Amino acid sequence: GQNIDQPTEMTATEGAIVQINCTYQTSGFNGLFWYQQHAGEAPTFLSYNVLDGLEEKGRFSSFLSRSKGYSYLLLKELQMKDSASYLCAVRGAAGNKLTFGGGTRVLVKP
Amino acid sequence: ETGVTQSPTHLIKTRGQQVTLRCSSQSGHNTVSWYQQALGQGPQFIFQYYREEENGRGNFPPRFSGLQFPNYSSELNVNALELDDSALYLCASSLGWGYTFGSGTRLTVV
Repeated sequence: GQNIDQPTEMTATEGAIVQINCTYQTSGFNGLFWYQQHAGEAPTFLSYNVLDGLEEKGRFSSFLSRSKGYSYLLLKELQMKDSASYLCAVRGAAGNKLTFGGGTRVLVKP
Repeated sequence: ETGVTQSPTHLIKTRGQQVTLRCSSQSGHNTVSWYQQALGQGPQFIFQYYREEENGRGNFPPRFSGLQFPNYSSELNVNALELDDSALYLCASSLGWGYTFGSGTRLTVV
Protein backbone atom coordinates (compact mmCIF):
# COMPACT_ATOMS: atom_id res chain seq x y z
CA GLY A 1 0.00 0.00 0.00
CA GLN A 2 0.91 3.67 -0.02
CA ASN A 3 0.96 6.24 2.79
CA ILE A 4 1.46 9.93 2.06
CA ASP A 5 1.95 12.48 4.85
CA GLN A 6 1.95 16.26 4.62
CA PRO A 7 1.16 19.01 7.14
CA THR A 8 -2.47 20.00 7.42
CA GLU A 9 -2.07 23.75 7.41
CA MET A 10 0.59 26.46 7.04
CA THR A 11 0.45 30.24 7.28
CA ALA A 12 2.89 32.64 5.66
CA THR A 13 3.20 36.33 4.83
CA GLU A 14 2.89 37.82 1.36
CA GLY A 15 6.32 37.99 -0.29
CA ALA A 16 7.78 35.28 1.93
CA ILE A 17 8.81 31.68 1.17
CA VAL A 18 6.99 28.56 2.31
CA GLN A 19 8.18 24.95 2.11
CA ILE A 20 5.61 22.13 2.17
CA ASN A 21 7.05 18.75 3.05
CA CYS A 22 5.70 15.40 1.91
CA THR A 23 6.86 12.00 3.08
CA TYR A 24 5.73 8.78 1.51
CA GLN A 25 5.92 5.04 2.03
CA THR A 26 5.09 3.05 -1.06
CA SER A 27 5.21 -0.47 -2.38
CA GLY A 28 6.32 0.96 -5.73
CA PHE A 29 7.22 4.36 -7.12
CA ASN A 30 6.70 5.85 -10.56
CA GLY A 31 6.79 9.58 -9.94
CA LEU A 32 5.61 12.26 -7.51
CA PHE A 33 3.24 15.09 -8.39
CA TRP A 34 2.32 18.36 -6.74
CA TYR A 35 -1.04 19.97 -7.44
CA GLN A 36 -2.65 23.24 -6.35
CA GLN A 37 -6.34 23.21 -5.57
CA HIS A 38 -8.51 26.20 -4.78
CA ALA A 39 -11.69 25.44 -2.85
CA GLY A 40 -14.27 23.67 -5.00
CA GLU A 41 -12.05 23.68 -8.07
CA ALA A 42 -10.00 21.15 -10.02
CA PRO A 43 -6.47 20.32 -8.90
CA THR A 44 -4.04 22.04 -11.26
CA PHE A 45 -0.62 20.59 -12.05
CA LEU A 46 2.42 22.26 -10.52
CA SER A 47 5.31 19.81 -10.81
CA TYR A 48 6.42 16.25 -11.47
CA ASN A 49 9.54 14.55 -10.09
CA VAL A 50 10.62 11.06 -11.02
CA LEU A 51 14.39 11.40 -10.46
CA ASP A 52 16.17 12.76 -7.38
CA GLY A 53 16.88 16.45 -7.30
CA LEU A 54 15.32 19.85 -7.68
CA GLU A 55 12.93 20.94 -10.41
CA GLU A 56 12.43 24.71 -10.72
CA LYS A 57 9.56 26.38 -12.49
CA GLY A 58 9.20 30.08 -11.89
CA ARG A 59 8.21 30.79 -8.30
CA PHE A 60 7.64 27.10 -7.60
CA SER A 61 10.32 24.45 -7.04
CA SER A 62 9.97 20.79 -6.09
CA PHE A 63 12.56 18.44 -4.66
CA LEU A 64 12.63 14.65 -4.49
CA SER A 65 14.73 12.15 -2.57
CA ARG A 66 13.61 8.63 -3.43
CA SER A 67 15.93 6.97 -0.88
CA LYS A 68 14.35 9.02 1.91
CA GLY A 69 10.78 8.89 0.60
CA TYR A 70 10.70 12.66 0.80
CA SER A 71 9.67 15.60 -1.32
CA TYR A 72 9.06 19.27 -0.77
CA LEU A 73 7.34 22.05 -2.67
CA LEU A 74 8.88 25.49 -2.30
CA LEU A 75 6.77 28.54 -3.01
CA LYS A 76 8.71 31.79 -3.31
CA GLU A 77 7.57 35.43 -3.39
CA LEU A 78 4.19 34.42 -2.03
CA GLN A 79 1.13 36.17 -3.43
CA MET A 80 -2.37 36.31 -1.98
CA LYS A 81 -3.62 34.14 -4.86
CA ASP A 82 -1.32 31.33 -3.63
CA SER A 83 -3.75 30.73 -0.75
CA ALA A 84 -4.97 27.23 -1.62
CA SER A 85 -4.53 23.57 -0.80
CA TYR A 86 -1.41 21.85 -2.09
CA LEU A 87 -1.64 18.14 -2.81
CA CYS A 88 1.26 15.70 -2.90
CA ALA A 89 0.54 12.55 -4.93
CA VAL A 90 2.59 9.46 -5.71
CA ARG A 91 2.06 7.23 -8.72
CA GLY A 92 2.56 3.55 -7.98
CA ALA A 93 4.74 1.13 -9.92
CA ALA A 94 1.81 -0.09 -12.00
CA GLY A 95 1.33 3.48 -13.17
CA ASN A 96 -2.41 3.25 -12.97
CA LYS A 97 -3.30 5.43 -10.03
CA LEU A 98 -2.28 8.41 -7.95
CA THR A 99 -2.27 8.17 -4.16
CA PHE A 100 -2.78 11.59 -2.60
CA GLY A 101 -1.86 13.00 0.75
CA GLY A 102 -4.51 14.86 2.69
CA GLY A 103 -3.40 18.21 1.32
CA THR A 104 -1.78 21.23 2.97
CA ARG A 105 -3.87 24.38 3.28
CA VAL A 106 -1.65 27.42 2.82
CA LEU A 107 -2.97 30.76 4.01
CA VAL A 108 -1.10 33.83 2.77
CA LYS A 109 -1.57 36.91 4.94
CA PRO A 110 -0.87 40.52 3.94
CA GLU B 1 -7.56 21.52 -26.47
CA THR B 2 -10.93 21.50 -24.73
CA GLY B 3 -9.73 20.21 -21.35
CA VAL B 4 -11.68 17.83 -19.13
CA THR B 5 -15.35 18.61 -18.60
CA GLN B 6 -17.64 17.02 -16.05
CA SER B 7 -21.39 17.09 -15.69
CA PRO B 8 -23.39 17.92 -13.75
CA THR B 9 -21.47 20.38 -11.58
CA HIS B 10 -23.75 19.89 -8.58
CA LEU B 11 -26.24 17.19 -7.70
CA ILE B 12 -28.46 16.36 -4.73
CA LYS B 13 -29.71 12.80 -4.32
CA THR B 14 -31.61 10.86 -1.68
CA ARG B 15 -30.09 7.94 0.19
CA GLY B 16 -30.71 4.68 -1.70
CA GLN B 17 -30.94 6.32 -5.12
CA GLN B 18 -28.59 5.79 -8.04
CA VAL B 19 -26.48 8.44 -9.78
CA THR B 20 -24.49 8.72 -13.02
CA LEU B 21 -21.70 11.25 -13.39
CA ARG B 22 -20.13 12.06 -16.75
CA CYS B 23 -16.70 13.07 -17.93
CA SER B 24 -15.39 14.16 -21.32
CA SER B 25 -11.65 13.57 -21.61
CA GLN B 26 -9.14 16.00 -23.00
CA SER B 27 -8.73 15.45 -26.73
CA GLY B 28 -6.49 12.47 -27.51
CA HIS B 29 -6.30 11.21 -23.93
CA ASN B 30 -7.05 7.46 -23.85
CA THR B 31 -6.97 6.95 -20.08
CA VAL B 32 -9.48 8.21 -17.56
CA SER B 33 -9.51 7.84 -13.80
CA TRP B 34 -12.04 8.79 -11.15
CA TYR B 35 -11.40 10.10 -7.65
CA GLN B 36 -13.60 10.83 -4.64
CA GLN B 37 -12.65 13.84 -2.53
CA ALA B 38 -14.38 14.31 0.81
CA LEU B 39 -14.37 17.79 2.29
CA GLY B 40 -10.97 18.75 3.64
CA GLN B 41 -9.28 15.58 2.43
CA GLY B 42 -7.15 14.50 -0.51
CA PRO B 43 -8.71 12.69 -3.48
CA GLN B 44 -9.11 8.89 -3.18
CA PHE B 45 -8.66 6.70 -6.25
CA ILE B 46 -11.82 4.89 -7.35
CA PHE B 47 -10.79 3.26 -10.66
CA GLN B 48 -9.10 3.83 -13.98
CA TYR B 49 -10.04 2.92 -17.55
CA TYR B 50 -7.67 2.49 -20.45
CA ARG B 51 -9.16 2.03 -23.92
CA GLU B 52 -12.55 0.98 -22.48
CA GLU B 53 -11.13 -1.59 -20.03
CA GLU B 54 -10.82 -1.13 -16.27
CA ASN B 55 -7.12 -1.46 -15.41
CA GLY B 56 -7.01 -0.47 -11.77
CA ARG B 57 -9.41 -0.13 -8.86
CA GLY B 58 -9.16 1.41 -5.42
CA ASN B 59 -10.80 0.34 -2.18
CA PHE B 60 -14.39 1.07 -3.19
CA PRO B 61 -17.35 -1.35 -3.09
CA PRO B 62 -18.88 -2.86 -6.26
CA ARG B 63 -21.77 -0.37 -6.16
CA PHE B 64 -19.24 2.06 -7.67
CA SER B 65 -18.95 1.13 -11.33
CA GLY B 66 -17.82 2.80 -14.50
CA LEU B 67 -17.67 2.81 -18.26
CA GLN B 68 -15.39 4.27 -20.86
CA PHE B 69 -16.68 4.82 -24.38
CA PRO B 70 -14.88 4.59 -27.75
CA ASN B 71 -14.45 8.39 -27.77
CA TYR B 72 -12.74 8.01 -24.35
CA SER B 73 -15.49 9.81 -22.45
CA SER B 74 -16.50 8.10 -19.24
CA GLU B 75 -19.25 7.55 -16.70
CA LEU B 76 -19.18 6.85 -12.98
CA ASN B 77 -22.25 5.09 -11.61
CA VAL B 78 -23.02 4.77 -7.93
CA ASN B 79 -25.89 2.57 -6.75
CA ALA B 80 -27.64 2.51 -3.38
CA LEU B 81 -26.28 5.91 -2.38
CA GLU B 82 -25.19 6.38 1.22
CA LEU B 83 -24.76 9.61 3.16
CA ASP B 84 -20.96 9.07 3.18
CA ASP B 85 -20.95 9.19 -0.62
CA SER B 86 -21.36 12.96 -0.35
CA ALA B 87 -18.16 14.33 -1.88
CA LEU B 88 -16.54 16.02 -4.85
CA TYR B 89 -16.04 13.48 -7.65
CA LEU B 90 -13.09 14.26 -9.89
CA CYS B 91 -12.32 12.85 -13.28
CA ALA B 92 -8.78 12.95 -14.68
CA SER B 93 -7.68 12.11 -18.20
CA SER B 94 -4.15 11.26 -19.21
CA LEU B 95 -1.91 10.34 -22.11
CA GLY B 96 1.53 9.37 -20.95
CA TRP B 97 2.77 10.68 -17.61
CA GLY B 98 0.54 13.69 -16.95
CA TYR B 99 -3.02 14.01 -15.61
CA THR B 100 -5.57 16.73 -16.36
CA PHE B 101 -8.40 17.04 -13.87
CA GLY B 102 -11.92 18.27 -14.43
CA SER B 103 -13.61 20.67 -12.03
CA GLY B 104 -15.61 17.86 -10.51
CA THR B 105 -19.19 17.06 -9.61
CA ARG B 106 -20.29 17.99 -6.10
CA LEU B 107 -22.65 15.21 -4.95
CA THR B 108 -24.76 15.68 -1.84
CA VAL B 109 -26.70 12.71 -0.48
CA VAL B 110 -29.52 13.55 1.90
